[in-house]
Amino acid sequence: AQSVTQLDSHVSVSEGTPVLLRCNYSSSYSPSLFWYVQHPNKGLQLLLKYTSAATLVKGINGFEAEFKKSETSFHLTKPSAHMSDAAEYFCVVSDLAGGYQKVTFGTGTKLQVIP
Amino acid sequence: SAVISQKPSRDICQRGTSLTIQCQVDSQVTMMFWYRQQPGQSLTLIATANQGSEATYESGFVIDKFPISRPNLTFSTLTVSNMSPEDSSIYLCSAKVGQMNTEAFFGQGTRLTVV
Repeated sequence: AQSVTQLDSHVSVSEGTPVLLRCNYSSSYSPSLFWYVQHPNKGLQLLLKYTSAATLVKGINGFEAEFKKSETSFHLTKPSAHMSDAAEYFCVVSDLAGGYQKVTFGTGTKLQVIP
Repeated sequence: SAVISQKPSRDICQRGTSLTIQCQVDSQVTMMFWYRQQPGQSLTLIATANQGSEATYESGFVIDKFPISRPNLTFSTLTVSNMSPEDSSIYLCSAKVGQMNTEAFFGQGTRLTVV
């Protein structure tokens, strides 16, 4: 079975401090993993993706994530938070479950950045 | 990449009526999907829109309630039938170019309120 767990529904950081958004996944196949960001009243934008190449993936806006198969994790990090990073972040897993492609979204993490 | 246009962007509808949402992609795509995002929640996959054949529905969603069309590789519609206030949600169209390792692109969504 395929599942995604985002461990924190809300994360609050001060501007300029590091960001860590946690994601654990479960998949019976070799999954692809993604992080999307959704700003208020805006569409979903892809931040980065892992597709079985390098385990450390760099994305847009200074974000990166590391795929750790032993820990079944794909945590999102950024060294220094900016006010514009305040948004909701979704971890997504995609694999071939039962012979057809299945995509599952995590429940989301709302990131608050305090000035 | 793919740019997805959805319309309407928002609507307020009377209960018992139906609304058809249109999704247009600016290029031919392999797969198209419809998601629902209820207030404060994550995205739930409604169905995969298959070109020239019946859509593949996820558990809990049925064709009578959410009929879907996909007449070609760039266009799909989702109808929300016999609406009730519980159908108030954001409905998002998504498309993928290529197979499972590619990211999904999303429309801006249709914000539906049923009164």
